[in-house]
Amino acid sequence: DGGITQSPKYLFRKEGQNVTLSCEQNLNHDAMYWYRQDPGQGLRLIYYSQIVNDFQKGDIAEGYSVSREKKESFPLTVTSAQKNPTAFYLCASIGEESGSYEQYFGPGTRLTVT
Amino acid sequence: KNEVEQSPQNLTAQEGEFITINCSYSVGISALHWLQQHPGGGIVSLFMLSSGKKKHGRLIATINIQEKHSSLHITASHPRDSAVYICAVRYTGNQFYFGTGTSLTVIP
Repeated sequence: DGGITQSPKYLFRKEGQNVTLSCEQNLNHDAMYWYRQDPGQGLRLIYYSQIVNDFQKGDIAEGYSVSREKKESFPLTVTSAQKNPTAFYLCASIGEESGSYEQYFGPGTRLTVT
Repeated sequence: KNEVEQSPQNLTAQEGEFITINCSYSVGISALHWLQQHPGGGIVSLFMLSSGKKKHGRLIATINIQEKHSSLHITASHPRDSAVYICAVRYTGNQFYFGTGTSLTVIP
């Protein structure tokens, strides 16, 4: 089955440590996204990539970094510079299905930093 | 300003009721998506609209481009419809902007 996988589902880290969240897709989609979800707020865009070896900052990129070395993979690193890293992180991709663009989301990673 | 507003924020309904969730946006868009988020956090795309109306089972989505407004309707609601429903709009390019969601609880 095609889809997006994120791992791990839950992640715990100590303050000051960098942590990398995995996102893999087998949908052959060019565009991939990282969002952050906090209680009471809509999803906010961290980074997105429209093609391999290219990515753009979203609205809240500070304290995060990404890479896109392969079409299938778009890992997100939460650095120690991110002031409030505890959140639910969602990876998504967009592709054309039956003549229209559809969004596909991974199951998410809940990161807790103490 | 790229604002997406949903109403209501929270909604409780009896099983079988007809439900409407609204989404308004501030500037012209190229597409609008309705998403469903389950308690575990996973998000599923329900509809993508650029005009008119779409129907899938008991779900109906409409969009009025002139009024910058979309509605998601659920007919004959069921407890398994309990979830957070999120509206997302796409302007030019490939960026999406999301509403804060409507939390729906359907009581048996």
